[in-house]
Amino acid sequence: DVKVTQSSRYLVKRTGEKVFLECVQDMDHENMFWYRQDPGLGLRLIYFSYDVKMKEKGDIPEGYSVSREKKERFSLILESASTNQTSMYLCASKGDPRLNYGYTFGSGTRLTVV
Amino acid sequence: GQNIDQPTEMTATEGAIVQINCTYQTSGFNGLFWYQQHAGEAPTFLSYNVLDGLEEKGRFSSFLSRSKGYSYLLLKELQMKDSASYLCAVRNNAGNMLTFGGGTRLMVKP
Repeated sequence: DVKVTQSSRYLVKRTGEKVFLECVQDMDHENMFWYRQDPGLGLRLIYFSYDVKMKEKGDIPEGYSVSREKKERFSLILESASTNQTSMYLCASKGDPRLNYGYTFGSGTRLTVV
Repeated sequence: GQNIDQPTEMTATEGAIVQINCTYQTSGFNGLFWYQQHAGEAPTFLSYNVLDGLEEKGRFSSFLSRSKGYSYLLLKELQMKDSASYLCAVRNNAGNMLTFGGGTRLMVKP
């Protein structure tokens, strides 16, 4: 089975801290995505990447950056965390034919910024 | 633009049948997905439709009408463990991205 692993389930950070959220997939997929999920707003795309060193802005990239130095790893960076970035963050990888090339999601990171 | 609409919440009784609707208006279409998400967990793949009609998979079925921009997820013989959010998502023409609806939170009561 495809595995998408997010390094932390829960994180608590202080306002102004630099925060790294890590995501690793083990199926050599080219496409990876970062979403945030908030009640009433659904899943919103922050950034995505089609290949190593490639990145594209999604719908809500402000306050975030990403890094894709290796194919299997896609990192989301909060340069200076703010309380409005408290959310559930979901990483996804695309490319499993058994899922009709839909997404496989990681287990999510619930980030609280205080 | 992309617009995908689902009801926010639904309630149903154990053993019953429930239908969750999804309407979409998107600039491109290359398939529609349904995901299930239990509270605090990641979404997991349930079904996929790209042609009009009904796809059945055990207790779950999904229907698509491309001309109407409409899909539904049908859950039969509801169980308590079916209490979850159900996400409708449309894939773009290039086939490389999904846009999600806001999700429908289903509560199954005894």
